[in-house]
Amino acid sequence: DTGVSQDPRHKITKRGQNVTFRCDPISEHNRLYWYRQTLGQGPEFLTYFQNEAQLEKSRLLSDRFSAERPKGSFSTLEIQRTEQGDSAMYLCASSPRGKSGANVLTFGAGSRLTVL
Amino acid sequence: QQPVQSPQAVILREGEDAVINCSSSKALYSVHWYRQKHGEAPVFLMILLKGGEQKGHDKISASFNEKKQQSSLYLTASQLSYSGTYFCGTERGFGNEKLTFGTGTRLTIIP
Repeated sequence: DTGVSQDPRHKITKRGQNVTFRCDPISEHNRLYWYRQTLGQGPEFLTYFQNEAQLEKSRLLSDRFSAERPKGSFSTLEIQRTEQGDSAMYLCASSPRGKSGANVLTFGAGSRLTVL
Repeated sequence: QQPVQSPQAVILREGEDAVINCSSSKALYSVHWYRQKHGEAPVFLMILLKGGEQKGHDKISASFNEKKQQSSLYLTASQLSYSGTYFCGTERGFGNEKLTFGTGTRLTIIP
């Protein structure tokens, strides 16, 4: 068990560019979550998957955001035409929900995005 | 809807006790508690399922009042390592299984 891995850890981009983040969950976890966190705030839910199925997407998420988990393993979060308001820490978490009954999330270290 | 935590911040001397509260306006299936240190990811502390149970390990415990949709985290004889921001996360049940995090409580322990 190597934990939840996220890449890159830091990304600086210019407004209008596209960025993609990758998350590798704990291998035996079937649930994968994406959250966004800004300074001084709690993690804000973006979307989550069970295996390869995207079960819910936040209504706050604009169409510029898209997430995939094509084979039920790693996931990518893409932000198109980035805006300065997208600057945040993007956290990925996974859980073994459905297997143990307890939806305990294990978070990755996060990908920090800075949009100039 | 985001659960509300109180207080927003608290400063304690080592050895003192603290209580952090988490309140939701919606019926809950479970309440989770996480601690996040500066620059690090949130780390799971404990989970409480509906049924009004109380849990704890070492000097950190929590309770869940299902009728009031409130949970409290108790830290006794605080240690320097307890410093960080504490978040409650609420889950509303099967079919609505995302974890919604609260506003956070920043805890500072001073020697």
